[in-house]
Amino acid sequence: ILNVEQSPQSLHVQEGDSTNFTCSFPSSNFYALHWYRWETAKSPEALFVMTLNGDEKKKGRISATLNTKEGYSYLYIKGSQPEDSATYLCAFLDNFNKFYFGSGTKLNVKP
Amino acid sequence: DTAVSQTPKYLVTQMGNDKSIKCEQNLGHDTMYWYKQDSKKFLKIMFSYNNKELIINETVPNRFSPKSPDKAHLNLHINSLELGDSAVYFCASSQGWRGDYGYTFGSGTRLTVV
Repeated sequence: ILNVEQSPQSLHVQEGDSTNFTCSFPSSNFYALHWYRWETAKSPEALFVMTLNGDEKKKGRISATLNTKEGYSYLYIKGSQPEDSATYLCAFLDNFNKFYFGSGTKLNVKP
Repeated sequence: DTAVSQTPKYLVTQMGNDKSIKCEQNLGHDTMYWYKQDSKKFLKIMFSYNNKELIINETVPNRFSPKSPDKAHLNLHINSLELGDSAVYFCASSQGWRGDYGYTFGSGTRLTVV
């Protein structure tokens, strides 16, 4: 079983702050890296699917980068809003079609 | 219209019972999955079906049996329920068996075995 680690486990920021968190994954047998946003009492919602080293993706104020050689991805949120409060999950898919989720970073944005 | 719907949302049952959780997706996806959220909040894959064929079958007890009557449905049947089966179970679907466009998840079924 591979390790996909996310840090920090939780994060508290003020509205308007920009923030970022990390997903670390094995650098071998990489196929794809997914980011999901998971609000309490809802289901995880796909944010990004990243496959190429150096990929950068953006959706509104949220963006992500990918480094497959060193095995990490960053998720950035610019100007956090209270509605950004959620758990952000990353998931690593390897070349053997094995899919591993991290335990998430829980973000709380205070108004 | 809910894209991936699971029923029931909550299920409380006694040890030794047999129960089923149903999942339906109306996205036209060809691949469906069952995930279990463990006590540390990790989502761990249990099964995956592509066009009604089993393609992922992780190490889960034989008491768990998935059934896919068609591409839009993937049900999970659990025999002889044990206390350790208590967890939240998530159904998901994707287009393509590698999930290249991401997964769409259901809202989860919280199973409590007493």
